[in-house]
Amino acid sequence: EAGVAQSPRYKIIEKRQSVAFWCNPISGHATLYWYQQILGQGPKLLIQFQNNGVVDDSQLPKDRFSAERLKGVDSTLKIQPAKLEDSAVYLCASSSGTNSPLHFGNGTRLTVT
Amino acid sequence: AQSVTQLGSHVSVSEGALVLLRCNYSSSVPPYLFWYVQYPNQGLQLLLKYTTGATLVKGINGFEAEFKKSETSFHLTKPSAHMSDAAEYFCAVSVGGSQGNLIFGKGTKLSVKP
Repeated sequence: EAGVAQSPRYKIIEKRQSVAFWCNPISGHATLYWYQQILGQGPKLLIQFQNNGVVDDSQLPKDRFSAERLKGVDSTLKIQPAKLEDSAVYLCASSSGTNSPLHFGNGTRLTVT
Repeated sequence: AQSVTQLGSHVSVSEGALVLLRCNYSSSVPPYLFWYVQYPNQGLQLLLKYTTGATLVKGINGFEAEFKKSETSFHLTKPSAHMSDAAEYFCAVSVGGSQGNLIFGKGTKLSVKP
């Protein structure tokens, strides 16, 4: 089966600019997650979707980050405006349900200068 | 609240030697515990998990881990290291019984010397 697809793989922007990341989960996976992995740290959950509804966004900085999952398939994560501390790898993961293991994409590495 | 502590940000072993990566957790409820591996420029891959039942869990690539409630530990071991095991390893604990809403440790980078 095809894995979780993410694009772009790399992105460099200046602070205060906006950026968007895209994720296509494994076909049929109802649950989708966005994790932020800052260099030297483990991934941190930003938002969890079940189909096209938000299950948990308690750690999403909502003043600058937004995410959507239209039609319960693809998802986009947006940052506007970006800050230096947003430099990280943004990982998308999907699973067939909340009690099923995660399948991760290869991530998008964001550098904010 | 749940948390995970991985002892040692960097572990180096010789090829053929025992691999031991340490993980301690804190959880107010019976935990689900996980080990993930991350190769350079890739996403995370599940090595093994403990949810319920047998406390010794076997995973892929010859790795295993033992859940020890009395020690709040879930250490990862492999009897004989291979060069291809060089990667970063993350221990994680679940939130609310979900296998997707996870709290990760800071990771341990494993180097394998020839």
